[in-house]
Amino acid sequence: GAGVSQSPSNKVTEKGKDVELRCDPISGHTALYWYRQRLGQGLEFLIYFQGNSAPDKSGLPSDRFSAERTGESVSTLTIQRTQQEDSAVYLCASSPRRGGTEAFFGQGTRLTVV
Amino acid sequence: SQKIEQNSEALNIQEGKTATLTCNYTNYSPAYLQWYRQDPGRGPVFLLLIRENEKEKRKERLKVTFDTTLKQSLFHITASQPADSATYLCALAPDSGYSTLTFGKGTMLLVSP
Repeated sequence: GAGVSQSPSNKVTEKGKDVELRCDPISGHTALYWYRQRLGQGLEFLIYFQGNSAPDKSGLPSDRFSAERTGESVSTLTIQRTQQEDSAVYLCASSPRRGGTEAFFGQGTRLTVV
Repeated sequence: SQKIEQNSEALNIQEGKTATLTCNYTNYSPAYLQWYRQDPGRGPVFLLLIRENEKEKRKERLKVTFDTTLKQSLFHITASQPADSATYLCALAPDSGYSTLTFGKGTMLLVSP
């Protein structure tokens, strides 16, 4: 596709349910990032993928959060037993190669836990 | 601990003036520093990248400086326009085998006509 695509764009879920957020990066981009942005706050790093491996997952806030990437393409961020504090916009970005090159962001998934 | 600091207060300027935004960092040795623009409800959009061995980079009305001694980057928008109103984020990438990209919290710029 032309850009990074995230789905769904909006998700409302009940506290305690599991959710899956999807990211389709730009074709050929080897680096993929997930960030969380709470209302009025900055970008909080969650996890970084290089290919299908995750050399840095230090930002995952708890063991309820996990992510995977397959085929050096699609990535899924899973949040289990959602809590109200998980409410935020989850942003995905991809980059052509490692080494701090520019990142291209998707439009984000707005997650609301009620 | 590692920190990236941007002024949390909004910067208000008049159209036509030069806007200058600051990014300070501590306990980093970044190989790259990047600036992004974020509009409400949208993902950040890349503007400029500057490497540690570069002092200054320009792109149209934008200029970025990078002082690794002061651990500071300045981002300038000359001849500012109301359409430049947005939040501007700086981001750092370390010089390592992989590159986690870490962002500052951003500074909101408001340009009045």
